[in-house]
Amino acid sequence: NAGVTQTPKFRILKIGQSMTLQCTQDMNHNYMYWYRQDPGMGLKLIYYSVGAGITDKGEVPNGYNVSRSTTEDFPLRLELAAPSQTSVYFCASSYFGLAGSYNEQFFGPGTRLTVL
Amino acid sequence: QKEVEQDPGPLSVPEGAIVSLNCTYSNSAFQYFMWYRQYSRKGPELLMYTYSSGNKEDGRFTAQVDKSSKYISLFIRDSQPSDSATYLCAMKAGNNRKLIWGLGTSLAVNP
Repeated sequence: NAGVTQTPKFRILKIGQSMTLQCTQDMNHNYMYWYRQDPGMGLKLIYYSVGAGITDKGEVPNGYNVSRSTTEDFPLRLELAAPSQTSVYFCASSYFGLAGSYNEQFFGPGTRLTVL
Repeated sequence: QKEVEQDPGPLSVPEGAIVSLNCTYSNSAFQYFMWYRQYSRKGPELLMYTYSSGNKEDGRFTAQVDKSSKYISLFIRDSQPSDSATYLCAMKAGNNRKLIWGLGTSLAVNP
């Protein structure tokens, strides 16, 4: 199993440009998450999905959009990039059963994005 | 007040030291408590988890939860340079879909 994969690894964008960060998992997990991580600021949840076709906002959704057409893929779209979106972006997935548990999240390697 | 508080450090210790990492929280509904380890330029990975109160030991690592004080700890015995990483606490209540994360504590173990 590859686990959670993310592309690209690095990207530099100009202000106002758009891009899509790709995320794929091969563990048949129902839940998927997008986080951003800024130095000293921990992980901030951007969006999450509980299954194909279902997404919901996290703490910091402004400036981002997501879609989930399949179980495996959860792309994150940045429209009109701004310097405040310079960050490291992590995608994660987990299996959430009916009984509830600690629901280990498996993370991808991250995408380092710089907006100039 | 944040739901989860964690001192970001950095913490620097000599090899072989006992390390204590801590988080406090305010939500008494939290039941699942986790520690993730994140190496530089990598994604976080689950290190240990505990349900409700008590201790859990795994090799050189011990996780403790004190629900009465709303305080969790991770102890690392005989610390090694390979333990140098950022340690993030995370917690959730029952069937909640999201984890609540601490800021992470940066640890350097010096040979």
